[in-house]
Amino acid sequence: QVQLVESGGGVVQPGGSLRLSCAASGFTFSSYGMHWVRQAPGKGLEWVAFIRYDGSNKYYADSVKGRFTISRDNSKNTLYLQMNSLRAEDTAVYYCAKDKIRCPHYWGQGTLVTVSS
Amino acid sequence: DIQMTQSPSTLSASVGDRVTITCRASQSISSWLAWYQQKPGKAPKLLIYKASSLESGVPSRFSGSGSGTEFTLTISSLQPDDFATYYCQQYNSYWDLTFGPGTKVDIK
Repeated sequence: QVQLVESGGGVVQPGGSLRLSCAASGFTFSSYGMHWVRQAPGKGLEWVAFIRYDGSNKYYADSVKGRFTISRDNSKNTLYLQMNSLRAEDTAVYYCAKDKIRCPHYWGQGTLVTVSS
Repeated sequence: DIQMTQSPSTLSASVGDRVTITCRASQSISSWLAWYQQKPGKAPKLLIYKASSLESGVPSRFSGSGSGTEFTLTISSLQPDDFATYYCQQYNSYWDLTFGPGTKVDIK
C-alpha cells in the first residue's frame, strides 16, 4: 500500500535553513505529482508546493515563494522541500502527499518544523 | 487567489444525526473540490473528490454535492468514528490550491 514517510524536521533559528525529505513506497513514484502541505499548531491546513511527476513544473504558495524549493529524485523515490530564510510563521507540521489530479490524496504522517530562537 | 469559507466552524451533534457542512468559494471552481477528515494528531484523509465522488473505502454515509461556488458535505447518520474536523479544498489550478478553515464536529 502507499506509504509516505517524512523526515528532517526539527528546531531551527529564524533565518536558518532546513531540508525535509519524503520517502515514498507502494506506488510508482515517478508517475505521480507530489504536494507539500503544512499545518501550524492548532490551525488549519495550508498548501505549500507541488511538483509534477517528472519535475518539469513546480508551483508554490505566495507565502513561501522565493524561500522554499520543492524537488524530487525519482531514482530514490524521494521528495524534498528545501526551506531557506525560515520565519516563526513557518512553524508547522509538514506533510507530503501523493497527487490525484491536483488533489492531495494519500498523506504521510508529517514532520514538525519549529522556528524559534 | 480563490478564498474558501466553511460553515459552521463548529457543529455539535449526536450519533445518528444527519450533518451538513457548507463550503463556499470566492469564484467558480466548477467541481474541483475535495473534502478531508482529520482527527487530532493524524494526517488528513481524503473523503470526497471532484465535489461528489466518494473516495475508495470511504463509507457511503458520506456524500458531497455542489458546483460552481457552493458545496456541501453530508453525513447521513453520524457515527462515533466521525467526530473530527472536516476541511474543504479547492483545486481549480496547480498554482492556487486553497483549504477552507475547517469545521469541527463534536459530541453534543
